[in-house]
Amino acid sequence: GDSVTQMEGPVTLSEEAFLTINCTYTATGYPSLFWYVQYPGEGLQLLLKATKADDKGSNKGFEATYRKETTSFHLEKGSVQVSDSAVYFCALSDKGAQKLVFGQGTRLTINP
Amino acid sequence: NAGVTQTPKFQVLKTGQSMTLQCAQDMNHEYMSWYRQDPGMGLRLIHYSVGAGITDQGEVPNGYNVSRSTTEDFPLRLLSAAPSQTSVYFCASSVNRGPGELFFGEGSRLTVL
Repeated sequence: GDSVTQMEGPVTLSEEAFLTINCTYTATGYPSLFWYVQYPGEGLQLLLKATKADDKGSNKGFEATYRKETTSFHLEKGSVQVSDSAVYFCALSDKGAQKLVFGQGTRLTINP
Repeated sequence: NAGVTQTPKFQVLKTGQSMTLQCAQDMNHEYMSWYRQDPGMGLRLIHYSVGAGITDQGEVPNGYNVSRSTTEDFPLRLLSAAPSQTSVYFCASSVNRGPGELFFGEGSRLTVL
């Protein structure tokens, strides 16, 4: 079945560092891909998405490119801030499926 | 704009007790779902609904019931709570009849003793 694998956390960085959180997926069809973010004590919220190969999703300085050849959707940000501290989830939705499949989440902590 | 509202935010139960987690959305979304979040396991789908009167099982449905009598409400019932159901529960909705972009509630933390 469909699955999503994220890099193990937690990840700790200093402010203004470059961020990469790896995400790879397995799907039988051509899924849509998502990154969700969960701030402390809150529900998840959509950060960005891509619906087809080579699409780039971007929001709040974060970017991720849908790479079909490597089945990846890595999240990147050029200069992180303390306010980016959160748990990040990669997810996919296969066409016709009625659910999102989530990775296990990566906890990110940014130190000033 | 309230979005997705879950109640209660915290609940402690004893093994064998029953309870209902409430979920309401005011966005007229057709799709609603319940997930549970456990450490190291991401979110797993319990049940979902693509419209009023229609529900279906997700990945981990055992021990839970749902119903969808209105577009707005999607309650999750625990029939006989077990310690394995200790978790954080999230309700989420989407405008389309598929998950697409999900809008999440703030979660309900349940502890079963």
